[in-house]
Amino acid sequence: EVQLVQSGAEVKKPGESLKISCKASGYSFTNYWIGWVRQMPGTGLEWMGIIYPGDSDTRYSPSFQGLVTISADKSITTAYLQWSSLKASDTAIYFCARRRSGNYYDAFDIWGQGTMVTVSS
Amino acid sequence: QSVLTQPPSVSGAPGQRVTISCTGSSSNIGAGLDVHWYQQLPGTAPKLLIYGNNNRPSGVPDRFSGSKSGTSASLAITGLQAEDEAEYYCQSFDTSLTPLYVFGTGTKVTVL
Repeated sequence: EVQLVQSGAEVKKPGESLKISCKASGYSFTNYWIGWVRQMPGTGLEWMGIIYPGDSDTRYSPSFQGLVTISADKSITTAYLQWSSLKASDTAIYFCARRRSGNYYDAFDIWGQGTMVTVSS
Repeated sequence: QSVLTQPPSVSGAPGQRVTISCTGSSSNIGAGLDVHWYQQLPGTAPKLLIYGNNNRPSGVPDRFSGSKSGTSASLAITGLQAEDEAEYYCQSFDTSLTPLYVFGTGTKVTVL
């Protein structure tokens, strides 16, 4: 079964660092781009960035460039999203999602279950 | 800030047909770029419903259909069912300044 399984919920304080994961299985991890999407409480979906695990080519939304780092470890078929210094405004659910094909304009067909990140003092 | 605009809510009785619009611009939908649709049930991850404007992934009922014209796209749900009550998002790609993926503002479908 093709699936993305994300790490569990996190509760952090402002200023702390965090790395959440997205474990892929059931397909060739290095052949599909994986994106990250933020959903703040009660709001819609925002695209954050995308990585090609085959060569770690990474693109960021301007809204998130410099604020987060996206990476991947193909040896364990896992993608990551990390922060070096969290803010309260980072409180949200974060989804990873696989792009359907090599077509840059294609849809995201497989989604992780989401990781809830709560940042509070 | 989303560049694809959707109505906040639509509603219909069971069995009725509802449509959700997704309005973009010349830098995304109007540039000929594909529109995709996702369904998000409460407390769950988005699920791909329509890709490439009007294609359904395996397992998605044919009650769901998509279309695109000019700078807009639409999702139609025919034979509305209680289980269709969810949030729906369109998505495309925007070529202005820094190319990036964009989502619609989201539409809550309520089954009366």
